Formats: sequence, structure tokens, C-alpha cells
Amino acid sequence: AAGVIQSPRHLIKEKRETATLKCYPIPRHDTVYWYQQGPGQDPQFLISFYEKMQSDKGSIPDRFSAQQFSDYHSELNMSSLELGDSALYFCASSPLTEHEQYFGPGTRLTVT
Amino acid sequence: DAKTTQPNSMESNEEEPVHLPCNHSTISGTDYIHWYRQLPSQGPEYVIHGLTSNVNNRMASLAIAEDRKSSTLILHRATLRDAAVYYCILSDMNRDDKIIFGKGTRLHILP
Repeated sequence: AAGVIQSPRHLIKEKRETATLKCYPIPRHDTVYWYQQGPGQDPQFLISFYEKMQSDKGSIPDRFSAQQFSDYHSELNMSSLELGDSALYFCASSPLTEHEQYFGPGTRLTVT
Repeated sequence: DAKTTQPNSMESNEEEPVHLPCNHSTISGTDYIHWYRQLPSQGPEYVIHGLTSNVNNRMASLAIAEDRKSSTLILHRATLRDAAVYYCILSDMNRDDKIIFGKGTRLHILP
């Protein structure tokens, strides 16, 4: 079965640079969620989209923005990167009729 | 958000059943009980969910107390591949809800 695809899988950036993470949800899933997991921590919700509109927002820094496109893929844009942004970033998708979320393999971002 | 309480860690022997408890004394009538797990170096994975009745699927069983203030995830025959952090999460049935991850239970499987 098709799964959530995230790209890139690994990304190394320097401080103050920008990064763009991409998420391709499972076909026919219309809701996308982004989570951040710092080293040794539990995943934290950042933001979600339903039908290309932002549906909820968590502890997402103002330096980060995200959107969902007409093909339902989503991108997380991160600017002025800081060392503390080094983390795993997971995308999850779900169809409106179900409550369970399906997670991608994550993007490991390292800021040096 | 309604909160859950789980033990920090548990151990079990391989090929034996595992019962992972979760307390959610402030659960509301519209909250589903979800379980996710995260294997090392992987994204979280949906395990099972329920509302009032016990549930079974190919991965596990979920036993829900009659007053819904607690639940137990049951792995019928643990394998080494079940070693993971298990999260018990409440999710409002009326909303397309984000997951609020708590600390979870780190399950160690002994060969």
C-alpha cells in the first residue's frame, strides 16, 4: 500500500539558512499534519491542513510557514534556521472519514 | 486537552503477552482512545483505537474499562520487533484532531 512520502530524508543546513521540507500524503487523504521531534523528545504538533486550508496550529515558530497545494502535497518552509531547529520532522496524513494518522519516515534536519 | 498517564517503561519476555496500561480519568464522552507506537528511527505508527467497546485488530487488542477512565493495550505475543515507545492518546471524535503525544511507555522485549 502507498505510504506517506517525505523528501528529503536528510538535510544539513547552516545557521540562518532556509530549508524546505516536502510531504506527499497517501492518495485520497485530504488532511496533512506536521510534527517536530527533537533529540530524545516526543513528537510535537506544528501545523495541519485540510483541503488546502490551515486547520490547526501548534507550537510553530513564526520563522516557519507551511502550505498545502492543489495536489494535496504540503511543504514546510523554515527560515533563519537556528541550532535548536535540528530535529526529525514528520508529516502525517489522514482521510476525513478516519481518525488515525499515517506517518511518513521523517526528514532529519541538522543545523550547523 | 484531556491527558493520559502511562508508566515510563516496561519489560516483557519475547513470545509472552504484554499489557500496557493507560489512565485517562478526565476523558470526555466524545474522546476516542488511540494507541500509536514509535519504533527506533521510525515515524509513529497507528496501532489501534476505540471508543467504548473492546477492539481487536491484527496488531493488538484494546481493552477499555467500563467507566472509560482507563484502557489497556494488549500485545498477544510480543516479538523483538515490538520494542518501541507506545503512546496512549485521546482524540475528540468531532474534530480532525492533531495528536498530542505524551511521554509514552518504552517497552523493552527480552529475548
